[in-house]
Amino acid sequence: QKEVEQDPGPLSVPEGAIVSLNCTYSNSAFQYFMWYRQYSRKGPELLMYTYSSGNKEDGRFTAQVDKSSKYISLFIRDSQPSDSATYLCAISGGYNKLIFGAGTRLAVHP
Amino acid sequence: EADIYQTPRYLVIGTGKKITLECSQTMGHDKMYWYQQDPGMELHLIHYSYGVNSTEKGDLSSESTVSRIRTEHFPLTLESARPSHTSQYLCASSKIAGPKGETQYFGPGTRLLVL
Repeated sequence: QKEVEQDPGPLSVPEGAIVSLNCTYSNSAFQYFMWYRQYSRKGPELLMYTYSSGNKEDGRFTAQVDKSSKYISLFIRDSQPSDSATYLCAISGGYNKLIFGAGTRLAVHP
Repeated sequence: EADIYQTPRYLVIGTGKKITLECSQTMGHDKMYWYQQDPGMELHLIHYSYGVNSTEKGDLSSESTVSRIRTEHFPLTLESARPSHTSQYLCASSKIAGPKGETQYFGPGTRLLVL
């Protein structure tokens, strides 16, 4: 079993939809959670990071962590065609290296 | 915006050639990484470094080598390129992880095609 599981998609939604992207992890020692966005043929860019359970909001993006279920989510409101990219979750357990999910490909069509 | 740079961005080269992919960062980060990523596929860690004169192999076996003589510079070398080395190579850096883990910042990548 992988330490971080992420559905690769692809996920196709109409413009304006609410998008939900998810990852599960196996090690309860993980405490630091990140979402990266990667456009085609580019390097991943850090989108959001959070340390604790609960929600963190940044504009149209909300990161949610449920440590009891070992489940993290990224919500995108009012999705735009410019949000079309691959979204990678990443998890760290303190002093340990970052572990990336496989990435979910998202396509937002006009 | 992350200050991490990779050159060249694109490289087409013949089999058997020696190549060096450059990576540099101006953030003073101690840790640096090289990942290999095929189109639409996962990131695979191939090398990392905790600091000057420190290099470690990653999770994915690679025929490449790295060096870390200066904090800001982490080049990757292939002594004899083969078509199987065709891929995208991503460099990243981070501060040494603390109790809250670490955040990595990525360069734009080098797309390598070996003919």
